[in-house]
Amino acid sequence: DAKTTQPNSMESNEEEPVHLPCNHSTISGTDYIHWYRQLPSQGPEYVIHGLTSNVNNRMASLAIAEDRKSSTLILHRATLRDAAVYYCILRDGVNAGKSTFGDGTTLTVKP
Amino acid sequence: DTEVTQTPKHLVMGMTNKKSLKCEQHMGHRAMYWYKQKAKKPPELMFVYSYEKLSINESVPSRFSPECPNSSLLNLHLHALQPEDSALYLCASSQETRGSYEQYFGPGTRLTVT
Repeated sequence: DAKTTQPNSMESNEEEPVHLPCNHSTISGTDYIHWYRQLPSQGPEYVIHGLTSNVNNRMASLAIAEDRKSSTLILHRATLRDAAVYYCILRDGVNAGKSTFGDGTTLTVKP
Repeated sequence: DTEVTQTPKHLVMGMTNKKSLKCEQHMGHRAMYWYKQKAKKPPELMFVYSYEKLSINESVPSRFSPECPNSSLLNLHLHALQPEDSALYLCASSQETRGSYEQYFGPGTRLTVT
């Protein structure tokens, strides 16, 4: 399975943008890039996903490199509620069901 | 409604007990998943059901037995577990198993094996 690599931890100040990087150099042509976040004592929450083009939704933006070997999740204005573990995952667009979570980035947001 | 519910929230069981975890979704999703998550680790995929048929078993020991009675319900039957099986068990669902669909996770069942 293709693997993702993320920094262990990042810090941000409240109301500033946050850029969370993810490397996936062995990504295949049919893999979708997904981001989820997990708050303490909760299940993971879907944030955003994309294939080739950059994506925006109400929670975040996803910037995908042209060669697709890396991506960046962008939170435009971090709030204290955004403090969580953020996981970057590759999910095969064709074959059923497999997805492997990387180790994730723990985001701390300072007031 | 984008909710996946899991019961019970917490479960303590002995190594000789038999218990079941339950997961439910009413989003019309045809793919359902079980994950296991140890403390401070990412979730690990255990089983995938697609259209009520088991499509992936990630070499999980037979003391874990999944069941998908209908498209809304997913069970995980537990028997003769070991203390190292103590973990958070997460259920998830998606429209289908293809990666173009996002997954929705439940809050998990915190299992302690004594």
